[in-house]
Amino acid sequence: SQKIEQNSEALNIQEGKTATLTCNYTNYSPAYLQWYRQDPGRGPVFLLLIRENEKEKRKERLKVTFDTTLKQSLFHITASQPADSATYLCALDAAGGGNKLTFGTGTQLKVEL
Amino acid sequence: EPEVTQTPSHQVTQMGQEVILRCVPISNHLYFYWYRQILGQKVEFLVSFYNNEISEKSEIFDDQFSVERPDGSNFTLKIRSTKLEDSAMYFCASSVREHSNQPQHFGDGTRLSIL
Repeated sequence: SQKIEQNSEALNIQEGKTATLTCNYTNYSPAYLQWYRQDPGRGPVFLLLIRENEKEKRKERLKVTFDTTLKQSLFHITASQPADSATYLCALDAAGGGNKLTFGTGTQLKVEL
Repeated sequence: EPEVTQTPSHQVTQMGQEVILRCVPISNHLYFYWYRQILGQKVEFLVSFYNNEISEKSEIFDDQFSVERPDGSNFTLKIRSTKLEDSAMYFCASSVREHSNQPQHFGDGTRLSIL
């Protein structure tokens, strides 16, 4: 079955630096990959979607890459701010199509002053 | 910005009791979902719903679970006879169209605690 791996260890970075989060997947080739942000006690909030034929997508300070050969997506936040501190979730479409999303466990990001 | 709203925010129920979790999806959205997140674990898909019927469900969504759209705005998840392991955050989500190339908009969840 498809497996999604995100760094379980929290990522601590200094304000102003670029945060890079990793999402690796196995046993599947998703057509779409989405990134969400989740704050404690809140629901996931959609950030970006990237298609398998897109190598890179940008939105303001956010950038996502999708390498179907490495089976990996990288999520970058440039000029990070303390307000960016949250858990970031990678989500893939399901094998066989449909509208179900399969989520990774998420990586907690903490941006320090 | 329109949002998905869920009630109650916290539900405490005795094991074996029935519970209904309520959601109001975004008004022009046509596809509705329930996910759950056990404390410290990942968000897991339960069920998707379109045109008044279930379009997909996971292994978690057994006979104890049911969903309904009783009117034009509400979308509910019922658990018939709750178990301790049903304790989790339950998130409702909606999207404009089907397919995972669409963002899903999530509510802030109902924390269900089974005693």
